[in-house]
Amino acid sequence: EVQLVESGGGLVQPGGSLIVSCAASGFTFSNYWMHWVRQAPGKGLVWVSRIDSDGSDTDYADSVKGRFTISRDNAKNTLYLQMNSLRAEDTAVYYCVRDYYSIDYWGQGTLVTVSS
Amino acid sequence: DVVMTQSPLSLPVTLGQPASISCRSSQSLVYSDGNTYLSWFQQRPGQSPRRLIYKVSNRDSGVPDRFSGSGSGTDFTLKISRVEAEDLGVYYCYQGTHWPPYTFGQGTKLEIK
Repeated sequence: EVQLVESGGGLVQPGGSLIVSCAASGFTFSNYWMHWVRQAPGKGLVWVSRIDSDGSDTDYADSVKGRFTISRDNAKNTLYLQMNSLRAEDTAVYYCVRDYYSIDYWGQGTLVTVSS
Repeated sequence: DVVMTQSPLSLPVTLGQPASISCRSSQSLVYSDGNTYLSWFQQRPGQSPRRLIYKVSNRDSGVPDRFSGSGSGTDFTLKISRVEAEDLGVYYCYQGTHWPPYTFGQGTKLEIK
């Protein structure tokens, strides 16, 4: 069974940093592209970032480019999102999402709240 | 960026009746490999999104056959043949053809009358 379990969310002050993680199991993690998608409270789904299967290629939404870094450790079956210079508008549930020609499985999400 | 426009944004339906959601993209979603990477996701209250349909009309494993997807180019539709109570939630279309960025529709809230 495919499982994606996010962790690391919490309350952080504006301008602060946070790393969220996603532990993957039930599939061969190193074969899949992965994404982060976020959802602000009461709002829709917004794509944040993508990484290819070996971590050599990444993409970012303009709203996070230069502030967020996606990475992965295939030996640990774990996906990461390093978030710096956080803003109030980054407040959202962050979902880890698998991609095989199309995004399919989603984690349960981890809430990141940026507030003073 | 490809803009995905859903309609309606709110859809009150009677149980047992059909429902239909439209999704239009600002450019054709046909990829160079001939596939169209248009998917539909369901998000029930308090849950993570779940994929229902991929590549326009392919139903995911475990998805009831009352759900169907159709369309081509820039116009796509998700249909529910007979709405059940468990279908309430928000439905999103998504394109994975022209990226970055990958883009979602605004979401359509399916409400039971």
